[in-house]
Amino acid sequence: DAGITQSPRHKVTETGTPVTLRCHQTENHRYMYWYRQDPGHGLRLIHYSYGVKDTDKGEVSDGYSVSRSKTEDFLLTLESATSSQTSVYFCAISWTSDYNEQFFGPGTRLTVL
Amino acid sequence: GQQVMQIPQYQHVQEGEDFTTYCNSSTTLSNIQWYKQRPGGHPVFLIQLVKSGEVKKQKRLTFQFGEAKKNSSLHITATQTTDVGTYFCAAIIIQGAQKLVFGQGTRLTINP
Repeated sequence: DAGITQSPRHKVTETGTPVTLRCHQTENHRYMYWYRQDPGHGLRLIHYSYGVKDTDKGEVSDGYSVSRSKTEDFLLTLESATSSQTSVYFCAISWTSDYNEQFFGPGTRLTVL
Repeated sequence: GQQVMQIPQYQHVQEGEDFTTYCNSSTTLSNIQWYKQRPGGHPVFLIQLVKSGEVKKQKRLTFQFGEAKKNSSLHITATQTTDVGTYFCAAIIIQGAQKLVFGQGTRLTINP
């Protein structure tokens, strides 16, 4: 498996609290992605990054923000968590673009009460 | 709405039976990728198809990309218990945002 870690692996939080998920890679891949996985929806792209400080929105970006200050780290922040953001969050990396295979991290299970 | 439709959503087979999952789009696709996710695990890349009518094989797995580049299939011959998991297709839609769009996945369970 590619060198991708996610932290925390599990988190339970309350509605209205801020939450930050971290993705760390040791592969020096340029592209990084945040997805959420929900039953019946597959994987949906939240935000992605194509380089340090270069980020853009995916199809379900409302309520989320990201930052990438170093090649190896991509942070996903829920400014004020809602129950609809209860999900499994996956980080992925790709060497150059979406035309290359993506390597996924182990995932973070987030529960918002 | 979902731009890449995958069917069936669930499939249960006896070990040794064949399995097929289909991925369909109303618009032309640039490429298609297939991923497998074991229960409790993360998606793992299997293969990418790019050319119209392309067929690729990996042991008991056969992947096809339609002639019109609007559909794809994954066929597993003689399933084994190690094939259990959810299979996802993912594609870049021509004329779209040039981002990979995932299908809903097909969850395969196997009776040994």
